This record gives sequence, structure tokens and C-alpha cells, in this order.
Amino acid sequence: QKEVEQNSGPLSVPEGAIASLNCTYSDRGSQSFFWYRQYSGKSPELIMFIYSNGDKEDGRFTAQLNKASQYVSLLIRDSQPSDSATYLCAVNPETSGSRLTFGEGTQLTVNP
Amino acid sequence: EPEVTQTPSHQVTQMGQEVILRCVPISNHLYFYWYRQILGQKVEFLVSFYNNEISEKSEIFDDQFSVERPDGSNFTLKIRSTKLEDSAMYFCASSSGSYQHFGDGTRLSIL
Repeated sequence: QKEVEQNSGPLSVPEGAIASLNCTYSDRGSQSFFWYRQYSGKSPELIMFIYSNGDKEDGRFTAQLNKASQYVSLLIRDSQPSDSATYLCAVNPETSGSRLTFGEGTQLTVNP
Repeated sequence: EPEVTQTPSHQVTQMGQEVILRCVPISNHLYFYWYRQILGQKVEFLVSFYNNEISEKSEIFDDQFSVERPDGSNFTLKIRSTKLEDSAMYFCASSSGSYQHFGDGTRLSIL
């Protein structure tokens, strides 16, 4: 079983729609969860992080965490063509200092 | 906003040679990391460094690799006797303990 698994892409949505990205993780003791955005040929850029069960909103982005189900998601509202990128889910087993384990990413395309 | 700086942006090296990849982490950060991403694959953890020593390393980080913080600002990754399969994007990251900030990466090409 993969440590961090993301929904297979590519995902294509029309401009203005909601894009939903999903991630499951295998280590039940994982403490912190991150969504990074990676444009082609570029480095990962942090979008959101979440530590507690529930929802966390930041502008057009909402991260959702359910530790019982070992599931984390990212919703992007009012998707824009500039949101087209690969979204990486990353999990940290501790609250600080330790490695990130990344999923393979979900490629999102937002069509004008 | 403070940035993690990596040099060079692209390194081309003959197989068997040694390479040193350089990183300047964000100045007040305490945790430093190296990751790699082979083309088309996921980002993989190599090593973390805290308090002037390796705190964690992956199975990828074998005797071929070493890290150093030679002064108060630089953090380096040395790869000895490079192999074709070392061709990848290498990312340095730093953290104050919350989320990790990534540099722009060094693209390493082994010929």
C-alpha cells in the first residue's frame, strides 16, 4: 500500500467550477497535512496546511481532514486557468521537523 | 518574503564525477532538508538536518550522499561517484518547525 495516495488524474474542470482533490494516507499516527502546488518544471509551493479534523478555509481554497478515515482533501472554488498545475498531498508524521511524504500528485487543468 | 536559494539551477556532470549542490536556507530556520524528484515521479525525501547533524535519512540516502553545513548560511548535498539514475531535480527545503519552504531546485543531469 502506498503511504500517500492521491486520486488519479488528470482532472479537468471548466473555469469557475469547483475542483476537488483527494488524498489518503496509511500512517494513522500522522499529525500534519499539506497541499503543495507544483507548476511544470518548478518547485512545490505551499497552498494549505491542516493539523486538526474538520475544514480550514483560505480564500478560494478549503482543506478538509478526517483522521478517522485517514483522508484529506482540497477544494478549489471558482477555479481559474492559473490554477492549472499538479497538486501534491504531503504528510508529516510529527508536528514539526520531520520528513514530508508526498503523493504522486494530481494534475489539474482548468479550461477557460 | 524570504526564500530558499539553490545553486546552480542546472548541473551537467559526467558519470562517476562528484557534484556538490548548494542551498541557502531561510535565515531563522532550524530544520533543513533535501528531496529529489526524478522526471515524472513523485517528490522523495532524502535527508533532514537539525542542530548540525542528520536527524533522519531515507533508504535512498546511502554512502554515496553526504550533507554539510559548512558555515552559518550554506547547506550542501554532495553526491560522490554519480550514476545515470542520479539524474533528477534536487530540492532543498527549510522550516522553522511548521511547514517547509522549498527552493527552486537544481536540475542534475548525469551523462
